[in-house]
Amino acid sequence: SQQGEEDPQALSIQEGENATMNCSYKTSINNLQWYRQNSGRGLVHLILIRSNEREKHSGRLRVTLDTSKKSSSLLITASRAADTASYFCATAPSNDYKLSFGAGTTVTVRA
Amino acid sequence: GAVVSQHPSWVICKSGTSVKIECRSLDFQATTMFWYRQFPKQSLMLMATSNEGSKATYEQGVEKDKFLINHASLTLSTLTVTSAHPEDSSFYICSARGGQNEQFFGPGTRLTVL
Repeated sequence: SQQGEEDPQALSIQEGENATMNCSYKTSINNLQWYRQNSGRGLVHLILIRSNEREKHSGRLRVTLDTSKKSSSLLITASRAADTASYFCATAPSNDYKLSFGAGTTVTVRA
Repeated sequence: GAVVSQHPSWVICKSGTSVKIECRSLDFQATTMFWYRQFPKQSLMLMATSNEGSKATYEQGVEKDKFLINHASLTLSTLTVTSAHPEDSSFYICSARGGQNEQFFGPGTRLTVL
């Protein structure tokens, strides 16, 4: 079942700007993962952050996790047109490895 | 990173026929694979967990007799949509679980039932 909620649902930014999206979840988690999906394609794993981590970086991506608020954010810095995609957060509960996906944020980067 | 393939990438079939979709982990062994379904502009919904050498575990509301899953080897899981109907038209995505419990996704299969 889906337990993640993301906001905003859609985001339109200019190339070079930063894009921030948020994810909230309901139950205790083992880890939280962010994925990207280009239209009509499969998901690409971006980053995994464990429940005992607060921040993680990967290239132009920065992910934060606040387990007290049950929320996470994904920041894409210096966005490019190729970053246009839908971004999903997914949580793995503490007692399971099945993923629950959020509704996703559709990001459009204008050239 | 780990690569997961799906075949076919798209399929069109007549109502009442069965369709088999393959999911392969190309460069690693996966004891666990997952099957998801995604409707347009929606998120992924987990259908079932496929375990090598044992029966699949289906999520609530998913008909196991309609969506047959076989995980015969550590690199292959198959999903067969039996007696397909137009409402089964969807994007089906598989994933394979990695060593750190991350999931690596296949490119998806677009099923259209006429």
